[in-house]
Amino acid sequence: DTGVSQDPRHKITKRGQNVTFRCDPISEHNRLYWYRQTLGQGPEFLTYFQNEAQLEKSRLLSDRFSAERPKGSFSTLEIQRTEQGDSAMYLCASRGGAQFFGPGTRLTVL
Amino acid sequence: ELKVEQNPLFLSMQEGKNYTIYCNYSTTSDRLYWYRQDPGKSLESLFVLLSNGAVKQEGRLMASLDTKARLSTLHITAAVHDLSATYFCAVDGGGGADGLTFGKGTHLIIQP
Repeated sequence: DTGVSQDPRHKITKRGQNVTFRCDPISEHNRLYWYRQTLGQGPEFLTYFQNEAQLEKSRLLSDRFSAERPKGSFSTLEIQRTEQGDSAMYLCASRGGAQFFGPGTRLTVL
Repeated sequence: ELKVEQNPLFLSMQEGKNYTIYCNYSTTSDRLYWYRQDPGKSLESLFVLLSNGAVKQEGRLMASLDTKARLSTLHITAAVHDLSATYFCAVDGGGGADGLTFGKGTHLIIQP
């Protein structure tokens, strides 16, 4: 399967813990995006990379959120000191024409 | 700020009927996308519309774009139960970022 992959698919954590999610884009796509989707809403854009450069990060929800793509291949999204309001689906996409989405990581903060 | 509005947000219809979902957006944009999402799943790309007057069709779904009216439509012909899903439109841009701005989605239920 050469689609976008994300790991883990589900994450349950306690409030105050840090979590990190990984995204592997389609190999020939140099643009990678992160979104958050809450129940009943459309995805909300967070940040994107072209190769290893993070070209937009003003949409990250707070300074507790950060993302990296150190070698221009996979990316990680970290949330520090998680809060219950962070519970959501976190989606990664890579771009070739359309943006192709991965299966998402569902985060539950207890 | 780019805004994308879909209507209706919820639609229940019978198999065999036709219907249209509307997507309005607030500022000029290069591209408009339609996605499908099944419950608990990720988003599946349906259509990418790149220019005024663009029309694309796949099976029972047809999407069109009017950039002057800032309007896209997704038309469903002779609906079947398998088309039950949530449909999102999305637009490039907004604040200079390259991320997509999505509508709230249209939750479509097609009843036998």
